[in-house]
Amino acid sequence: DAKTTQPPSMDCAEGRAANLPCNHSTISGNEYVYWYRQIHSQGPQYIIHGLKNNETNEMASLIITEDRKSSTLILPHATLRDTAVYYCIVRVVNGGSQGNLIFGKGTKLSVKP
Amino acid sequence: KAGVTQTPRYLIKTRGQQVTLSCSPISGHRSVSWYQQTPGQGLQFLFEYFSETQRNKGNFPGRFSGRQFSNSRSEMNVSTLELGDSALYLCASSLGGQVNEQYFGPGTRLTVT
Repeated sequence: DAKTTQPPSMDCAEGRAANLPCNHSTISGNEYVYWYRQIHSQGPQYIIHGLKNNETNEMASLIITEDRKSSTLILPHATLRDTAVYYCIVRVVNGGSQGNLIFGKGTKLSVKP
Repeated sequence: KAGVTQTPRYLIKTRGQQVTLSCSPISGHRSVSWYQQTPGQGLQFLFEYFSETQRNKGNFPGRFSGRQFSNSRSEMNVSTLELGDSALYLCASSLGGQVNEQYFGPGTRLTVT
């Protein structure tokens, strides 16, 4: 699975959009981009995933560049409860894909009032 | 639908003892993955079970083992505990199919003294 690079920490004002970048310059054509987050003392939470098109769900939007070498997770209106470590993961998805997520160090997002 | 449950939530053991942790996946999920989280190493994949068979294994010593039952519930066992085994042990379940988004439990906090 491709390696990802994320900034170690970011701040965001409450109510503003939080834009979390992820670099995955060695991503290959059959690798998806996944985002998870971990709020302190809880298990990680799945947020969103995508292959090449931008994706949106009730939690966030995922913007993937045309060359797929980087992506941005957008939390449109950050709240204090969004303070967490955000992990960007890329992995191959195929029939019988295996359940071994490889977590990096992630980005510690602090939402401030 | 109920989430992933893990028991016990907290555990204190002595070096040399063994421990068994339990995980009940979301109803209908056939894949259960286990992860270890420590401050130094972050989140690391231990192993995955799918339909009672170990499908994938991380880079951990043989003291770490697991199994899955016909109802998809899973247990992991650590024998001959060492101080370095102190960690948060997380279980995640998924349908086990192509996309394989994983849903994590709250974890078991193991302290080895």
